[in-house]
Amino acid sequence: NAGVTQTPKFRILKIGQSMTLQCAQDMNHNYMYWYRQDPGMGLKLIYYSVGAGITDKGEVPNGYNVSRSTTEDFPLRLELAAPSQTSVYFCASSTKGLQPQHFGDGTRLSIL
Amino acid sequence: KQEVTQIPAALSVPEGENLVLNCSFTDSAIYNLQWFRQDPGKGLTSLLLIQSSQREQTSGRLNASLDKSSGRSTLYIAASQPGDSATYLCAVTLMNRDDKIIFGKGTRLHILP
Repeated sequence: NAGVTQTPKFRILKIGQSMTLQCAQDMNHNYMYWYRQDPGMGLKLIYYSVGAGITDKGEVPNGYNVSRSTTEDFPLRLELAAPSQTSVYFCASSTKGLQPQHFGDGTRLSIL
Repeated sequence: KQEVTQIPAALSVPEGENLVLNCSFTDSAIYNLQWFRQDPGKGLTSLLLIQSSQREQTSGRLNASLDKSSGRSTLYIAASQPGDSATYLCAVTLMNRDDKIIFGKGTRLHILP
């Protein structure tokens, strides 16, 4: 079982560059989430989706965009990378909002 | 505003001891509380989920309790093993906001062989 797959695992960007973090799940989950985790901190929700075609902002959405064209995929886009976006990004999914979330292994992103 | 606090931030105990990790939250209007484990360089693994109407959940050597009225949860680990070394995070789901999960900063647990 693949579960939640995130790519890439590591990436270094220059200030102002753009990139897309990929997330795919094969469990047919409706709910998908993007979090960021800064050192020594808990996770903060960036964006979430309750189904294909539906997305909504979380706690820290500025500087990011998402799309949900299929149930399986939930990419996160950084348009103009800034040093403050250096973090570890986690994607998660669940059958519905109140159920345990399944997490990917994360993407470690550094903006220099 | 809901805040989730985990104390201590780090804990080291000898192998074989029983231990308790603490989590407190400021708003008792929650749907559920989850305990997660995070290994270095990995994502989170859900350990136990306690619905707001429940008092505790058990899985193997793990027991999680929930006292909504006092805003507290504990994770009890029996007969600790070196493989239990990890960061443990608790998270609450807000009532009527199933998209809103608030995480604590975690407790880094080190089991000494």
